[in-house]
Amino acid sequence: ETGVTQSPTHLIKTRGQQVTLRCSSQSGHNTVSWYQQALGQGPQFIFQYYREEENGRGNFPPRFSGLQFPNYSSELNVNALELDDSALYLCASSSGAGGYSNTGELFFGEGSRLTVL
Amino acid sequence: KNQVEQSPQSLIILEGKNCTLQCNYTVSPFSNLRWYKQDTGRGPVSLTIMTFSENTKSNGRYTATLDADTKQSSLHITASQLSDSASYICVVRSGGSYIPTFGRGTSLIVHP
Repeated sequence: ETGVTQSPTHLIKTRGQQVTLRCSSQSGHNTVSWYQQALGQGPQFIFQYYREEENGRGNFPPRFSGLQFPNYSSELNVNALELDDSALYLCASSSGAGGYSNTGELFFGEGSRLTVL
Repeated sequence: KNQVEQSPQSLIILEGKNCTLQCNYTVSPFSNLRWYKQDTGRGPVSLTIMTFSENTKSNGRYTATLDADTKQSSLHITASQLSDSASYICVVRSGGSYIPTFGRGTSLIVHP
């Protein structure tokens, strides 16, 4: 158990719809990052939030957006869903000054499995 | 461009046998390298971290090595068990970067 919880665990959407995924970080962690993992692939970095500000973003279009709340929990929003958005979405929390942990350990949740039809 | 390449892509071994997974990286400047284990349908969990000055580190039946000169790391699993069946992902951090670089993982299947 990493102490990172994600919801929902599974969901099915249709093309064009919007989805919101939620993540509660481990106690004491101020940084949350989101990853997309397609079947058989490694996780791809979407973006990271540190103290409610986005401080890093991967190669994902603007329809992928996020929020971090004062309690350090986070949301990932995806608009105008496409079939290729079907994937496991992983949230990871970590701690460190400036959002960069010296040890770099990421504590992952169990993920949200999104299927777009 | 920072990259992490893992090999083999997949591996099938018999229970009790040993195996070695490889990770080559071009991340610069290097800060640290982690091996994560990801069970099917679960989130990755850290097995070990290697920093620049470390050559070998063990965690039970898992032994990681790092050659910072050739930018290679390996994860050796001794006396494999059925529960070792999982994806093993190599993740490298660059100094001062917020964004870790992930490999695609090696899928290991251990058969009885």
